Amino acid sequence: DAGVTQSPTHLIKTRGQQVTLRCSPKSGHDTVSWYQQALGQGPQFIFQYYEEEERQRGNFPDRFSGHQFPNYSSELNVNALLLGDSALYLCASSRVWGSSYNEQFFGPGTRLTVL
Amino acid sequence: GENVEQHPSTLSVQEGDSAVIKCTYSDSASNYFPWYKQELGKRPQLIIDIRSNVGEKKDQRIAVTLNKTAKHFSLHITETQPEDSAVYFCAASPLTGGGNKLTFGTGTQLKVEL
Repeated sequence: DAGVTQSPTHLIKTRGQQVTLRCSPKSGHDTVSWYQQALGQGPQFIFQYYEEEERQRGNFPDRFSGHQFPNYSSELNVNALLLGDSALYLCASSRVWGSSYNEQFFGPGTRLTVL
Repeated sequence: GENVEQHPSTLSVQEGDSAVIKCTYSDSASNYFPWYKQELGKRPQLIIDIRSNVGEKKDQRIAVTLNKTAKHFSLHITETQPEDSAVYFCAASPLTGGGNKLTFGTGTQLKVEL
């Protein structure tokens, strides 16, 4: 079991550009959540996907959008990048929406630097 | 929304001593409280969690206690070892009909000195 995987590992973009980050959940998991972790801070919830729909959303602008595919993998898209978007973006997977199994397992993250 | 506060921000202990990290939360609907360990440059790893129907849970040298009335929960690490050095995050979430949305604390940098 490869666990949660993310790509790419690192990414450098300039202000105004757009970026797409990718996540494959742990085998058997069907729910994917995305978090932003600024340096020295705890992760902040961006949104969560289940059955290819956004189910919950944190306090992030519409520039942040996502998608979930039939195989449960997910993408995070950020448009019109700002310097403040520089952070580690973490994907977490969990299984069975609506069950008592709520453990979230994190991927290694994508380090995004906006210049 | 939920707000989680975590203390202390840094903690230095001697090897073999105990370490305690405390968190408070604001939303009475929260009933799932995981703890994550994050080593430098690595992913957060779930080390222990507790649900509101229990007051304490233990796993070897790690234990977590929960006081729902006071809205606080704590992580206890006994017989600390150098490999326990890392940043520890507490989190809180409601166990709603859907997947949980974790609200994290700001982290505690634990350093275990030889």
